Amino acid sequence: AQSVTQLDSQVPVFEEAPVELRCNYSSSVSVYLFWYVQYPNQGLQLLLKYLSGSTLVKSINGFEAEFNKSQTSFHLRKPSVHISDTAEYFCAVSDPSGYSTLTFGKGTMLLVSP
Amino acid sequence: KAGVTQTPRYLIKTRGQQVTLSCSPISGHRSVSWYQQTPGQGLQFLFEYFSETQRNKGNFPGRFSGRQFSNSRSEMNVSTLELGDSALYLCASSAEIPSTDTQYFGPGTRLTVL
Repeated sequence: AQSVTQLDSQVPVFEEAPVELRCNYSSSVSVYLFWYVQYPNQGLQLLLKYLSGSTLVKSINGFEAEFNKSQTSFHLRKPSVHISDTAEYFCAVSDPSGYSTLTFGKGTMLLVSP
Repeated sequence: KAGVTQTPRYLIKTRGQQVTLSCSPISGHRSVSWYQQTPGQGLQFLFEYFSETQRNKGNFPGRFSGRQFSNSRSEMNVSTLELGDSALYLCASSAEIPSTDTQYFGPGTRLTVL
């Protein structure tokens, strides 16, 4: 069985400040890792994913995450946030074998203020 | 390409009733997954369908069921509704393998059980 822990339920930051949203996972097998973002009254959108290869993955809007196998972490970072980044962020894992779907963390609400 | 559509967007039912939610995946996608999102439990996987067959099922009671049609459209049904079934139900489609192919989420159906 897999599980995902997002340690912070809410992260308040000021605009243009850096931010890190933490994600740790537990699994007895190798995993694929994902970050999804949910804006109010909308479904989830994929931000970035790690399947294999380079452990540092980047999104088109400035977010990046690094897979750390020894620490079983996949923290999300952005060097400078915008008001429009205010949303809920979900970390998720899946099992590469079979047809496993996503196991999500409880989410982190990123609140960006001016 | 049109995104994932879910109907209806909002639904109010009373305890004991049953409800059917519909999901139309992105054209060409054959895998459809369903998730329940609540403030307390977060996002939980319900089931996944591929080519009209249920390939994977989450830990939900038998009151929750689903099906997929030959055009990949999917429905989920909840019978004998309970107050705790109030949630946002999200549908996600992917090309074939939900653990690796990007899952695209619909906006969800907000179910309120009174």
